[in-house]
Amino acid sequence: AQKITQTQPGMFVQEKEAVTLDCTYDTSDPSYGLFWYKQPSSGEMIFLIYQGSYDQQNATEGRYSLNFQKARKSANLVISASQLGDSAMYFCAMREGQDNDMRFGAGTRLTVKP
Amino acid sequence: ETGVTQTPRHLVMGMTNKKSLKCEQHLGHNAMYWYKQSAKKPLELMFVYSLEERVENNSVPSRFSPECPNSSHLFLHLHTLQPEDSALYLCASSQDGGGGRGTQYFGPGTRLTVL
Repeated sequence: AQKITQTQPGMFVQEKEAVTLDCTYDTSDPSYGLFWYKQPSSGEMIFLIYQGSYDQQNATEGRYSLNFQKARKSANLVISASQLGDSAMYFCAMREGQDNDMRFGAGTRLTVKP
Repeated sequence: ETGVTQTPRHLVMGMTNKKSLKCEQHLGHNAMYWYKQSAKKPLELMFVYSLEERVENNSVPSRFSPECPNSSHLFLHLHTLQPEDSALYLCASSQDGGGGRGTQYFGPGTRLTVL
């Protein structure tokens, strides 16, 4: 069964606007971590933001914030004030308990228009 | 050097060649990973080393052979590969244990083409 689902293969956003990238997950483990990574065309996976299952507050890192809705099992990434350099693939990932295995979604390709 | 480095960045090899991919992490982490990223497929975990011991092998074909001589270095030895093995190979490291969140930090990847 798919553990991480990203339903948006591609998204477009106007420069300086905000954009939300969707991610839903499936787990029965009460302890888990959720991660977002950015992958530019160069290939490197860049860590953006982390949310723990027991965290009370939504995570924020600069222009990135994570809209964590635990009951709905969703962990959407919000990018505020989009920049041209934000154009990339974005991956949502989950790690359950103390597992070494991190499951990745299929990714969303974000294109920022000038 | 900082973070996670990988060499070479690009590799073209024939099916009968033997080559090795190298990964080095400068973060003081105790776990390292090899991932395969093929076109239009999610990232696939291949191997995990924790404290220099292999703890996971997700049914990877034996033509891929990992080696972890110490906590900072990880190799992936390749031999008699198939064209379908062409992909981006990503190395990552994390600090595991002690209930930490274990964020994985990735290298830039090696883009492998098998002819």
